[in-house]
Amino acid sequence: ETGVTQTPRHLVMGMTNKKSLKCEQHLGHNAMYWYKQSAKKPLELMFVYSLEERVENNSVPSRFSPECPNSSHLFLHLHTLQPEDSALYLCASSQDSGNGNTIYFGEGSWLTVV
Amino acid sequence: GDSVTQMEGPVTLSEEAFLTINCTYTATGYPSLFWYVQYPGEGLQLLLKATKADDKGSNKGFEATYRKETTSFHLEKGSVQVSDSAVYFCALSVRGSQGNLIFGKGTKLSVKP
Repeated sequence: ETGVTQTPRHLVMGMTNKKSLKCEQHLGHNAMYWYKQSAKKPLELMFVYSLEERVENNSVPSRFSPECPNSSHLFLHLHTLQPEDSALYLCASSQDSGNGNTIYFGEGSWLTVV
Repeated sequence: GDSVTQMEGPVTLSEEAFLTINCTYTATGYPSLFWYVQYPGEGLQLLLKATKADDKGSNKGFEATYRKETTSFHLEKGSVQVSDSAVYFCALSVRGSQGNLIFGKGTKLSVKP
């Protein structure tokens, strides 16, 4: 139990579907993140939220839309995805978003786009 | 730009063997360095970290020393167990990076009984 919970653990969706990934952290942290882990690339940061405000967006396509309603919850809304978006999506949190803070990861949501 | 290079895997060892996984980095400024481990079917767990030069991180028998002169953060363990089989990721973060961890590609370790 890492204190960061992700649902669903597995998701299969068609290219025309709309779905959402959910993340909840129980650590009292102020920063939350979405990372993408695919077979062909190193782990990539997608989005950073600090105190519920987005502070970084690493040129992620608009078919991925994050939402952070409060400091404990983070969503990733998915629509019109492509098969190459199939990957493990990892949510993470840290006390704040500065250098040196330990980032705690959830177990991930395996996404398959068909 | 900032980057992390770690040895390619997979690495296969017998139980009780000595483990070294090399990691070198390129960074502007003074990064913090991390090793994360990913067991099969799970997310990433922090294994150890070091935030300044000459610091040694250690956990569960694993150690890594922040070497500024060689820009390295090699992971070592004196005697591996089957339960250490996992993928190991070296990572760095730099000041002002808004929590952006730069990861290496990962090294898969398999330990045979």
